[in-house]
Parts: sequence; C-alpha cells; structure tokens
Amino acid sequence: KAGVTQTPRYLIKTRGQQVTLSCSPISGHRSVSWYQQTPGQGLQFLFEYFSETQRNKGNFPGRFSGRQFSNSRSEMNVSTLELGDSALYLCASSPWGYEQFFGPGTRLTVL
Amino acid sequence: SQELEQSPQSLIVQEGKNLTINCTSSKTLYGLYWYKQKYGEGLIFLMMLQKGGEEKSHEKITAKLDEKKQQSSLHITASQPSHAGIYLCGADSSASGTYKYIFGTGTRLKVLA
Repeated sequence: KAGVTQTPRYLIKTRGQQVTLSCSPISGHRSVSWYQQTPGQGLQFLFEYFSETQRNKGNFPGRFSGRQFSNSRSEMNVSTLELGDSALYLCASSPWGYEQFFGPGTRLTVL
Repeated sequence: SQELEQSPQSLIVQEGKNLTINCTSSKTLYGLYWYKQKYGEGLIFLMMLQKGGEEKSHEKITAKLDEKKQQSSLHITASQPSHAGIYLCGADSSASGTYKYIFGTGTRLKVLA
C-alpha cells in the first residue's frame, strides 16, 4: 500500500497570508490527525478527523482549521499566518485511531 | 492534562553500546507508542504497549511498560549508526478513547561509529 502523502513538502509564506496543506491517508484508513512540530513546543496535536467529522481537537486558536473529504483525504488551513506558525506539520492516518502512520510532513516557513 | 516526560533529552553513545530512554506519564497510560523520527521527516512507528508489564522487541529494540502503567522504557542493544534519530513516546490522553494524542519532548540519539 502507498504510505501517507503530504503536499506540498515545503512552503514559504508571509505574515498575514493563509495556507492550505493537504494529506492523503493510506487507502482504507478513515482517521486523519494533524500535528504541529516546533523545536520549542515539540509535537502538538491539532485535530483528528474520522469519516469527515472532527472527532477531537487540540488547544490551538481558531485560525487553524481542517476538513476531511469523503475519500478520507484531509486539508488543514491556517489563516492570518504568524511568525510562530513556522513549523513542520505532520499528518497521520489510522484505520480507527490507534496505531498511526505518519506522512513526511510539510515544512512551513512564515516570513 | 496528561503530560509525557522523556529522559534523557539527548544521548551520544559509541557504536556497540547499550542505551535506555525513559518516558514517564503524569497519569495512567492506556496505550503507549514509541516512534523514531529522522530530523525533519515523519515519524516511524516502532511499537505499541497496552498492558502493564508488557514487553515487546523488534530487532535490537525492546520496550517495556511498567506494572503501574505510568512509565515506559526503550532499550537499544548494541547500538548502530542506523539507530540515530529522535525517539518519541506518544499516548492517547483521552480516557474515553477518542484518540487525542500527546507526545513526549523526544530524545535525540547520536551513535558514533
């Protein structure tokens, strides 16, 4: 099976812009989770989608949002970008939510 | 809220040496996961532990979950340069099992050839 894919792999934006990241899970996986990883805060949970519904949410401001489509592909959107949003954004897919398979990540740099 | 603390934060060992990484939880663990990450890349699943006292091995890596289910250790025997990377422990922090994950701060391992 193909692994989790994330696009784009690298992205450079300026403050105030918005960005959309995409994640294609492993075929058959219905759960997609998003994480933000920074040197200072480590790996932090953003949200999890299961069958197009947000099932769980971390402690991030409303500027961070996501959605999941009927084919389980997921997108994450960050509006009004801030310098502190520079991070590696990781997506993980899972059949039900236990064992997670991670994608290679999208490196976002905000200037 | 539940937190996972890993120790040590970083480790440099000579090739062939054994090493142990610890992960301590502030609350009872209902599922503990170990991952390895190469810098700037995604996480690779190593193993999952659920029962107190459980021990699992994969090649030269062994992980244990203590009886009280609040601490896990990852042991690497006869380390090799290929073991280098960041090791992260993760857990489902929601008692209801709705899969809200938290991760430890990571242990950066360097193996000298």
